[in-house]
Amino acid sequence: QSVLTQPPSVSAAPGQKVTISCSGSSSNIGNNYVSWYQQLPGTAPKLLIYDNNKRPSGIPDRFSGSKSGTSATLGITGLQTGDEADYYCGTWDSSLSAAVFGGGTQLTVL
Amino acid sequence: QITLKESGPTLVKPTQTLTLTCTFSGFSLSTSGVGVGWIRQPPGKALEWLALIYWDDDKRYSPSLKSRLTITKDTSKNQVVLTMTNMDPVDTATYYCAHIQSSSWYHWGQGTLVTVSS
Repeated sequence: QSVLTQPPSVSAAPGQKVTISCSGSSSNIGNNYVSWYQQLPGTAPKLLIYDNNKRPSGIPDRFSGSKSGTSATLGITGLQTGDEADYYCGTWDSSLSAAVFGGGTQLTVL
Repeated sequence: QITLKESGPTLVKPTQTLTLTCTFSGFSLSTSGVGVGWIRQPPGKALEWLALIYWDDDKRYSPSLKSRLTITKDTSKNQVVLTMTNMDPVDTATYYCAHIQSSSWYHWGQGTLVTVSS
């Protein structure tokens, strides 16, 4: 049971937009920065978004992040087949004094 | 360029202690704000954070695994070591080390699959 809740799967057609939600509480998302990770099949996770909405160098602006209250959202526009992956949100939980991740969302580009 | 690489046994027996080493380059674990941690992923399952050590030797552990984990660093060797006692088949997973700054895991190692079986 993950501390952060994500939908197990989402899907959309190539070229379309998709959003992935991440729900938490005041002890984690509500008072800490959120980051997002992309895990392509058989590879290690890769940082996509940090500090709620910032992109590391090399991450295209098709990827965006936002946070409101105790929820965060990852948006991906102009979907490509190469975007098929598992996506995880992560943050710090101040009550647990622990790093926490969501359960992951599998993106299918139909 | 920041790189991290995990090393250790690929197979351990139940009740044994697992020792994993993360060897990194491109940053210093004596730089303020920097940390290195361990995250694991059982086959087909989600990421699970295990432990974290900061530049000032502050250590944090997963509450559910705290009694079994120890994390240490050797700044001169650019290494972080994780030990996990009393291994069980449910601990079979790919173990990743990663570089953290603020609350984001910026760089990850390739991961090492550890199987627990007799």
